Amino acid sequence: SQKIEQNSEALNIQEGKTATLTCNYTNYSPAYLQWYRQDPGRGPVFLLLIRENEKEKRKERLKVTFDTTLKQSLFHITASQPADSATYLCALDMRSNYQLIWGAGTKLIIKP
Amino acid sequence: NAGVTQTPKFRVLKTGQSMTLLCAQDMNHEYMYWYRQDPGMGLRLIHYSVGEGTTAKGEVPDGYNVSRLKKQNFLLGLESAAPSQTSVYFCASSYRTNTEAFFGQGTRLTVV
Repeated sequence: SQKIEQNSEALNIQEGKTATLTCNYTNYSPAYLQWYRQDPGRGPVFLLLIRENEKEKRKERLKVTFDTTLKQSLFHITASQPADSATYLCALDMRSNYQLIWGAGTKLIIKP
Repeated sequence: NAGVTQTPKFRVLKTGQSMTLLCAQDMNHEYMYWYRQDPGMGLRLIHYSVGEGTTAKGEVPDGYNVSRLKKQNFLLGLESAAPSQTSVYFCASSYRTNTEAFFGQGTRLTVV
């Protein structure tokens, strides 16, 4: 069956450390993978998009990797801050239709 | 610049009642989407539209109808609400596929 997995348990990180979130998928061949941030009571906000032929993408303190062989994306936040605390969602962007396939998200808690 | 605006933000319905959720975007996007978000699950696509006057079914369309009479508006209707439709509903829009999606703030719907 097709599925996307993100860590269902909250990830607790000390401020200043690097937070790493994972997104694993099976039986998909996405053309793109997107990461979003969602705060309580708000809609998701786009962070980064990475294409299947890109290994790594960076934006300020954020870095995303995409390994199509392992069927995995890693999302890194360096020098983490309490303001980075949120739920982070990954979404697969399939090449054949208009739908994004979403993971359930990982809650990240950055402790001062 | 408002982005994507959803109304209402909260609603309680009795089983069997009907309602319409309104989504408006001011970014001139062609693509618009309605999702539902339930605890522990990823966002699930209900219906989507690739342009004015067009709509299509997503992953979980049963019990919902949509209309896109104007490019900037995408309406989601529940004809006869059921408790299983208790959820948080998000509208989103994008310029095209494989670009970032912009989300509204969500509508929390409870069906009793």
